[in-house]
Amino acid sequence: DGGITQSPKYLFRKEGQNVTLSCEQNLNHDAMYWYRQDPGQGLRLIYYSQIVNDFQKGDIAEGYSVSREKKESFPLTVTSAQKNPTAFYLCASSIGGNKNSQYFGAGTRLSVL
Amino acid sequence: DAKTTQPPSMDCAEGRAANLPCNHSTISGNEYVYWYRQIHSQGPQYIIHGLKNNETNEMASLIITEDRKSSTLILPHATLRDTAVYYCIAGNTPLVFGKGTRLSVIA
Repeated sequence: DGGITQSPKYLFRKEGQNVTLSCEQNLNHDAMYWYRQDPGQGLRLIYYSQIVNDFQKGDIAEGYSVSREKKESFPLTVTSAQKNPTAFYLCASSIGGNKNSQYFGAGTRLSVL
Repeated sequence: DAKTTQPPSMDCAEGRAANLPCNHSTISGNEYVYWYRQIHSQGPQYIIHGLKNNETNEMASLIITEDRKSSTLILPHATLRDTAVYYCIAGNTPLVFGKGTRLSVIA
């Protein structure tokens, strides 16, 4: 069953703690993306990667880090430098290039304790 | 990406066609029009996209005006399960999502 899997569905972070959100895809897509969504708002781009071992900052990259060591995986780390991490985080993938549709996972909801 | 303008909310009676408008007057020649929807607390779902011509798939139809400055997403027979926020995006990947239109389908 092809798709994008995000885990966990819910995550809690303590003050000063780094947490990592997982995103895996088995669609053989080259490009992957991370977005953040706050209540009642649209999606904002955090980071994206168009190819393995390469990634670019989006509009709100501060306080976040990513890696792309494998084609199918694009984990996002929310660092302690991100002062307002509570949000809904969405991962997406696409075939590649800039004219192909993005497909989304089910999301991870992060809350701060 | 071009700026898009959508009404914040719309209602539609169940079984009727839902016509969702989008204005993208600053769209450039190589930018596509994409439509996604998001049901509460889920990831956005791809619906349809197009460049110049009208497009139709099993979910919806996309009508793009000849000057490409606006488009309409048509859900031909809306059901209660179509209640969602619908996003119109004019651009290329990575896509930029605005606040969309909240469509409520009413029984």
